[in-house]
Amino acid sequence: DIVMTQSPDSLAVSLGERATINCKSGQSVLYSSNNKNYLAWYQQKPGQPPKLLIYWASTRESGVPDRFSGSGSGTDFTLTISSLQAEDVAVYYCQQYYSIPLTFGQGTRLEIK
Amino acid sequence: QVQLQESGPGLVKPSETLSLTCTVSGYSISSGYYWGWIRQPPGKGLEWIGSIYHGGNIYNNPSLKSRVTISVDTSKNQFSLKLSSVTAADTAVYYCARGDSFAIFGVVTYYFDYWGQGTLVTVSS
Repeated sequence: DIVMTQSPDSLAVSLGERATINCKSGQSVLYSSNNKNYLAWYQQKPGQPPKLLIYWASTRESGVPDRFSGSGSGTDFTLTISSLQAEDVAVYYCQQYYSIPLTFGQGTRLEIK
Repeated sequence: QVQLQESGPGLVKPSETLSLTCTVSGYSISSGYYWGWIRQPPGKGLEWIGSIYHGGNIYNNPSLKSRVTISVDTSKNQFSLKLSSVTAADTAVYYCARGDSFAIFGVVTYYFDYWGQGTLVTVSS
């Protein structure tokens, strides 16, 4: 199984400031045949299901604000919120879809400072 | 708009079988995609349970071994989960979701683009 490890576990950022969440996979999720990273990011607000934000490590899902961006390759990935808004308070998860079983990171809780 | 809705008992006794159904609206299961189950114990992270294609191809999480059965009923536009021999550790919110799928190394993997609201299943006597 590919272990996904996120850091930090929790994060407090001031409104309007940048938030950065890291995700590290236990093995590379870069498929050399198509040069794609099989990595997705989700946002989960309290009492709601996860919402897809990013796939292929850096492709924003339709309707997701452009303050959300994903970067990284191989085993190290980052979700960045360029200017934190109040509605961004949530838990964020990364997920690899490079191999079965699909696995998620443990989550990063993002709060307002 | 694609919508998914889980249904089933909210309370299951230990050693019995948990049974849930996901009803899909706004999209025909027969048209494609994989359809999956993910669970989340209270206050914890996400665990993929398994996924099915309308043609019957199924992928399960080996961690749940042979306890999982996933099936699809295209006539009702539904897919279902059965988890046998449950214990308290199976207490969780169970989500159904649609998987946007890709073939890699001879298997099909996916991220999940549409999710149901989730249903809490408690295992207790």
